[in-house]
Amino acid sequence: AQSVAQPEDQVNVAEGNPLTVKCTYSVSGNPYLFWYVQYPNRGLQFLLKYITGDNLVKGSYGFEAEFNKSQTSFHLKKPSALVSDSALYFCAVRDWGQAGTALIFGKGTTLSVSS
Amino acid sequence: NAGVMQNPRHLVRRRGQEARLRCSPMKGHSHVYWYRQLPEEGLKFMVYLQKENIIDESGMPKERFSAEFPKEGPSILRIQQVVRGDSAAYFCASSPGGQTNTGELFFGEGSRLTVL
Repeated sequence: AQSVAQPEDQVNVAEGNPLTVKCTYSVSGNPYLFWYVQYPNRGLQFLLKYITGDNLVKGSYGFEAEFNKSQTSFHLKKPSALVSDSALYFCAVRDWGQAGTALIFGKGTTLSVSS
Repeated sequence: NAGVMQNPRHLVRRRGQEARLRCSPMKGHSHVYWYRQLPEEGLKFMVYLQKENIIDESGMPKERFSAEFPKEGPSILRIQQVVRGDSAAYFCASSPGGQTNTGELFFGEGSRLTVL
């Protein structure tokens, strides 16, 4: 069975500092990995994905994520946080071998960036 | 190109009534997914449908909940005899099928159900 863990309910950083939001996953085969962001009372917006290839994936709004197969992790990073990055972030996974199946999401991590 | 459209955005029902939530996928998308979001619990998968077929309903409660995606018209998530515990945000997502499916889902803005 697929699963995703986001070990931190909340991450607090000061504006201008680097941020990391952690994600680990479990799949039986090879993973498709995703990050989404949700602002209050809105739907989820796609940020980036890892399918195959380079382990460092770049996405929207200056975010990037690094796929680490040995640690089964896919942490989200940004070199310099903005107050407007404050939102709820979800990591999600799907098994390569199960085309068309649903994404399984973590519980989410609230990112709070202070000015 | 319109995104995933959900309606109503907000729905209030009394206990025992029925709730119907509608979702029109993005143009060209033939796969629809429903998720439920509760505070502190994240996003829980409910059901995955293609036109006229339920592919995976492993996350759907066995009673009172049903979903359909007819040949014509939107996908509908139906909750019969609602209880207070059904109060949540329900999100629909869509994706294209076949070789164009690279995995990400496109989400609607959600329908927020409040049961009084």
